[in-house]
Amino acid sequence: NAGVTQTPKFQVLKTGQSMTLQCAQDMNHEYMSWYRQDPGMGLRLIHYSVGAGITDQGEVPNGYNVSRSTTEDFPLRLLSAAPSQTSVYFCASSYSMFTAFLDGNTGELFFGEGSRLTVL
Amino acid sequence: SQQGEEDPQALSIQEGENATMNCSYKTSINNLQWYRQNSGRGLVHLILIRSNEREKHSGRLRVTLDTSKKSSSLLITASRAADTASYFCATVLIIQGAQKLVFGQGTRLTINP
Repeated sequence: NAGVTQTPKFQVLKTGQSMTLQCAQDMNHEYMSWYRQDPGMGLRLIHYSVGAGITDQGEVPNGYNVSRSTTEDFPLRLLSAAPSQTSVYFCASSYSMFTAFLDGNTGELFFGEGSRLTVL
Repeated sequence: SQQGEEDPQALSIQEGENATMNCSYKTSINNLQWYRQNSGRGLVHLILIRSNEREKHSGRLRVTLDTSKKSSSLLITASRAADTASYFCATVLIIQGAQKLVFGQGTRLTINP
């Protein structure tokens, strides 16, 4: 299994440009999510999905769109990039939500290797 | 909002010594997880401890949980240079009925040879 695959690894954009960060997992995970990581801010949840056709907002959703048409893919779209969106983005997936007591699974997240985005 | 906060923010020790990192959180939890992040890489899950557990071991890792103090600690024994990384705790917040895994800012651990 490849696990969680993110593309591209690096991207430079100009303010106002749009782009899509791709995320794919081959573990048949229901739960997928996007985080951004900034110095001194830790990881902040942008959007997440609990299954195909279902998405919801995290802590910092503004400026980002997501969709989940298949179990495997969860792309993150920046419609009009801003310098404040310069960050490292991580996609992560899990078998299900974090109810370790109920179904016995660990609820651990599997992370991709990250996409470093610079907006000029 | 930060649910988990790690302490210290940075820790530098000699190889072979033990490293202890702490995490404090604000609300009741179902479980608490610890992750490691090597420089330039994604996070890797290390260990999960449930709210009804007080201590858990995995190899050289020992995690404790004190729900009365809303705190957890991660101990790495006999540290190695390869343990150099950032370590994060993560807990689940229930926000508007939805479960969201929230991370702290992390402890940057440096093991000096």
